[in-house]
Amino acid sequence: SQQGEEDPQALSIQEGENATMNCSYKTSINNLQWYRQNSGRGLVHLILIRSNEREKHSGRLRVTLDTSKKSSSLLITASRAADTASYFCATDAYGDTGRRALTFGSGTRLQVQP
Amino acid sequence: DTGVSQDPRHKITKRGQNVTFRCDPISEHNRLYWYRQTLGQGPEFLTYFQNEAQLEKSRLLSDRFSAERPKGSFSTLEIQRTEQGDSAMYLCAEEREPTDTQYFGPGTRLTVL
Repeated sequence: SQQGEEDPQALSIQEGENATMNCSYKTSINNLQWYRQNSGRGLVHLILIRSNEREKHSGRLRVTLDTSKKSSSLLITASRAADTASYFCATDAYGDTGRRALTFGSGTRLQVQP
Repeated sequence: DTGVSQDPRHKITKRGQNVTFRCDPISEHNRLYWYRQTLGQGPEFLTYFQNEAQLEKSRLLSDRFSAERPKGSFSTLEIQRTEQGDSAMYLCAEEREPTDTQYFGPGTRLTVL
């Protein structure tokens, strides 16, 4: 089952604009990660934010986490055509066997128009 | 390039045939996960290995699915008597210290005709 839900499902912007994607989840987490996936390809890890962190930056990416609202946002500043991809949030929690399998949302499809 | 390789990248098969996929992580000591992704959805957990031990399987993994990781190195995922509903992208991921981030391979896209 999908724990996280991204919003919006699809986003189209012009190059140079900022893109904001939101993710909501249901259960307590250890950390939350954002991944990017180009069409038909594997997932590329973007950024990990731990449950005790509120904000994290990496280049043009800014991630926030609000554990009280069980939500996270990914901001891509000064977008480029190459940022066109699907973006997924993924949460993990320790299972009984110690597994840390990720639970993904259904993704936001970002289209950056040149 | 994450260093995780998968083979084949694409597989087309007829319903009822068996297929096997392979995943090669960079280290035999890291945890290895298998996920399945259908069109328009995020990946869903199938199973994972700690060294050669398969520690958990999700309910998505029916009896027709079997996974192995001999000697804790590469891993294989076999699907017997494939069905059209098995058509999906099969992804493996390697969990690496110190951040325990999971790094994904490029995936194997399975099409069952």
